[in-house]
Amino acid sequence: EVQLVESGGGLVQPGGSLRLACEASGFTFSSYWMHWVRQAPGKGLVWLSHINSAETSTTYADSVKGRFTISRDNAKSTLYLQMNGLRADDTAVYYCARGGNYNWNPFDYWGQGALVTVSS
Amino acid sequence: QSALTQPASVSGSPGQSITISCTGTSTDVGGYNYVSWYQQHPGKAPKLMIYDVSKRPSGVSNRFSGSKSGNTASLTISGLQTEDEADYYCCSYTSATSVVFGGGTKLTVL
Repeated sequence: EVQLVESGGGLVQPGGSLRLACEASGFTFSSYWMHWVRQAPGKGLVWLSHINSAETSTTYADSVKGRFTISRDNAKSTLYLQMNGLRADDTAVYYCARGGNYNWNPFDYWGQGALVTVSS
Repeated sequence: QSALTQPASVSGSPGQSITISCTGTSTDVGGYNYVSWYQQHPGKAPKLMIYDVSKRPSGVSNRFSGSKSGNTASLTISGLQTEDEADYYCCSYTSATSVVFGGGTKLTVL
């Protein structure tokens, strides 16, 4: 059974940092593109970033470029999102999602989400 | 990259059919056959319902179907059921930033 489990969410002050992790199981993690998507309270889904299977290609949405860094450890089947310079409008539930063998493949499995609250 | 345009809400009665539109541009919806649709119930993670414009993942009811014409994709749900009440999001590959979602549509089953 494919499972994605996020961790690392919590309350952080503006300007602070947080690292989210997404532990994958039930599939060959190293074969798939992986993505981060977030959803602010009461708002829609927003794609943030993706990384290819070999960690040689990453892309970011303009809203997080230069502040967030996506990475992965295929040996640990874990995806990461390092978030620096956090702002109030980064408050959201953060989901990791599995892509496919190409960056245009859909997100067929999602984690349960990790809540990040940015507030003083 | 602006979000794809979806109606904020649609409604229908049990047994009826509804269609949700998703309008983009030639650099996303109109340029590629890589449109997907996601269903999200309150407090839950999104679920893939349609991919590559009109393909259904295994286990998704055939009451859900997708299509595209020009820069607009559509999700049709036939034989509406109460459990279909949820938020629906379209998503497209884009040459700009790779992925863009629609703003979401709240489906109410009356």
